[in-house]
Amino acid sequence: GQSLEQPSEVTAVEGAIVQINCTYQTSGFYGLSWYQQHDGGAPTFLSYNALDGLEETGRFSSFLSRSDSYGYLLLQELQMKDSASYFCALSNAGNNRKLIWGLGTSLAVNP
Amino acid sequence: DGGITQSPKYLFRKEGQNVTLSCEQNLNHDAMYWYRQDPGQGLRLIYYSQIVNDFQKGDIAEGYSVSREKKESFPLTVTSAQKNPTAFYLCASHTAERPTNEKLFFGSGTQLSVL
Repeated sequence: GQSLEQPSEVTAVEGAIVQINCTYQTSGFYGLSWYQQHDGGAPTFLSYNALDGLEETGRFSSFLSRSDSYGYLLLQELQMKDSASYFCALSNAGNNRKLIWGLGTSLAVNP
Repeated sequence: DGGITQSPKYLFRKEGQNVTLSCEQNLNHDAMYWYRQDPGQGLRLIYYSQIVNDFQKGDIAEGYSVSREKKESFPLTVTSAQKNPTAFYLCASHTAERPTNEKLFFGSGTQLSVL
């Protein structure tokens, strides 16, 4: 089967850097995505890694290592508004392109 | 501006009642999805459709039904057979064009509660 694991909660302070890890088990996939969701809101797309390596988008970066079955989301210069849940998701290999979702990591940014 | 519109934002269902959640998109996306999210949980796929007049069951389709008569619309009916319908329902869409960054666009969600 396919599964993803993320830490359930992470706490950090404003201005710091935090890394949210995502490990997975799957037989094949197109890539790894990251989404942000504030309480009561809809998930919004942050980043996508189709290949191994680092993708940078402003304060957020995402990394993928297929050989290690591992990825992470790196948030720099944390702001209070970054307090949210962060989900990793795998794009299932095959024609249906279903996403397999992790259970999410709740990030609390404190002053 | 293009996007996905879900309505209503809040919905209450009486026992034995069917209710329908609306999802409309003007992004010209081929693929549309319905997810269910329970508190503190991830997203679970209910149904998805990759083309008009065709749809497939997701992981938790029992007690739900959908239709895809138009590219822009993908309504979800929560039937009386769904015994635990209280959840946050999210509709999403995706372009089928390649290459892609696999980006899903989400609606703002519908919170369904049982009276």
